Amino acid sequence: DADVTQTPRNRITKTGKRIMLECSQTKGHDRMYWYRQDPGLGLRLIYYSFDVKDINKGEISDGYSVSRQAQAKFSLSLESAIPNQTALYFCATDTGTGVTDTQYFGPGTRLTVL
Amino acid sequence: DQQVKQNSPSLSVQEGRISILNCDYTNSMFDYFLWYKKYPAEGPTFLISISSIKDKNEDGRFTVFLNKSAKHLSLHIVPSQPGDSAVYFCAASVPSQGGKLIFGQGTELSVKP
Repeated sequence: DADVTQTPRNRITKTGKRIMLECSQTKGHDRMYWYRQDPGLGLRLIYYSFDVKDINKGEISDGYSVSRQAQAKFSLSLESAIPNQTALYFCATDTGTGVTDTQYFGPGTRLTVL
Repeated sequence: DQQVKQNSPSLSVQEGRISILNCDYTNSMFDYFLWYKKYPAEGPTFLISISSIKDKNEDGRFTVFLNKSAKHLSLHIVPSQPGDSAVYFCAASVPSQGGKLIFGQGTELSVKP
């Protein structure tokens, strides 16, 4: 079984709709992250959480919100989706024990906003 | 402001030859660097890392070199294999922000048989 899972894997929606992307992990890690990948821009951090009570904005948080429901679950919401939020979204986790941590990524969610 | 830059979007190499992927950074406070590999329809996976106190780290066919004075790192793959065809991201750790990673744009490597 995968350590980091994301649902849905693919989603097509319309402008203005509310969308939630979910992430679950079985690694027991405290820290979780949401990234988006766009061609030519690499991976950019949207939000991150170092524990259940800690939520932080990343470099491109506008138009997004998150919820850390439990240590194992971190959801990303688009309150009113717009076409330029069409991208590949990744959730990641790490242990948070130090600066040498390796992040483990989920398989990604491909979101298309029409 | 792109703090981590991979200026080559793509690279094509013949099987058996060396692949060299490059990465430049601007923030001298970065103290740990990582390379991730990504296949289509999968998430990135960790490949190799290097601390700023070293200038080389080797793991099998993969070697990462760090030149702090030039703020440059490179990933060497020798010999290259068709299964190495993927997108490679370099990333740098921000120590003042708990080790948060800043990623480059990625380089798509194609290894031709």
